[in-house]
Amino acid sequence: KQEVTQIPAALSVPEGENLVLNCSFTDSAIYNLQWFRQDPGKGLTSLLLIQSSQREQTSGRLNASLDKSSGRSTLYIAASQPGDSATYLCAVRPAQAGTALIFGKGTTLSVSS
Amino acid sequence: DVKVTQSSRYLVKRTGEKVFLECVQDMDHENMFWYRQDPGLGLRLIYFSYDVKMKEKGDIPEGYSVSREKKERFSLILESASTNQTSMYLCASSYRGGRSYEQYFGPGTRLTVT
Repeated sequence: KQEVTQIPAALSVPEGENLVLNCSFTDSAIYNLQWFRQDPGKGLTSLLLIQSSQREQTSGRLNASLDKSSGRSTLYIAASQPGDSATYLCAVRPAQAGTALIFGKGTTLSVSS
Repeated sequence: DVKVTQSSRYLVKRTGEKVFLECVQDMDHENMFWYRQDPGLGLRLIYFSYDVKMKEKGDIPEGYSVSREKKERFSLILESASTNQTSMYLCASSYRGGRSYEQYFGPGTRLTVT
């Protein structure tokens, strides 16, 4: 059964630092991987979607990479800001028709000014 | 912009009550999903639907049912609410065709059962 793990569970950094969030998954048979952001008490906002055939996706200060064979993805945040403070979730879509996303438990990021 | 809306942000119900959570999307998506999110357990799939009147059980369907009478609307029903159903409930939707689809989430409903 597919399992998704995110390390670390929590991270605190000063403003301006570049940082990397990690996501690993146990079964490489996936269609895609999606990174989300969740603010306290709110829903999920999609940040980046990487197809299984892609190596990376970029959006502004965010860059997500995917190494499907090793079951790993990273989310790189450049020049972090206090507004980046949130929980970041990764989720994979298994390569089976009709199945939903399988989520990691998230990394809670705190950026101090 | 894709919009997924949920009928309530906060809901307080009593044990034994029948509870309806409504979700509406405006992007003509075929797939709709209900998840619950709990501290330490993450997001878990309750039910999903890939078409009108079609539904599939997720990982934790016990105590829940769903209804999809129209494409844009997916309802989650707690037949007899219990305190262990206190949670954050999140609805999502996506296109069905092809391999690459992005899931879009609503703002969530924080349900408390007393």
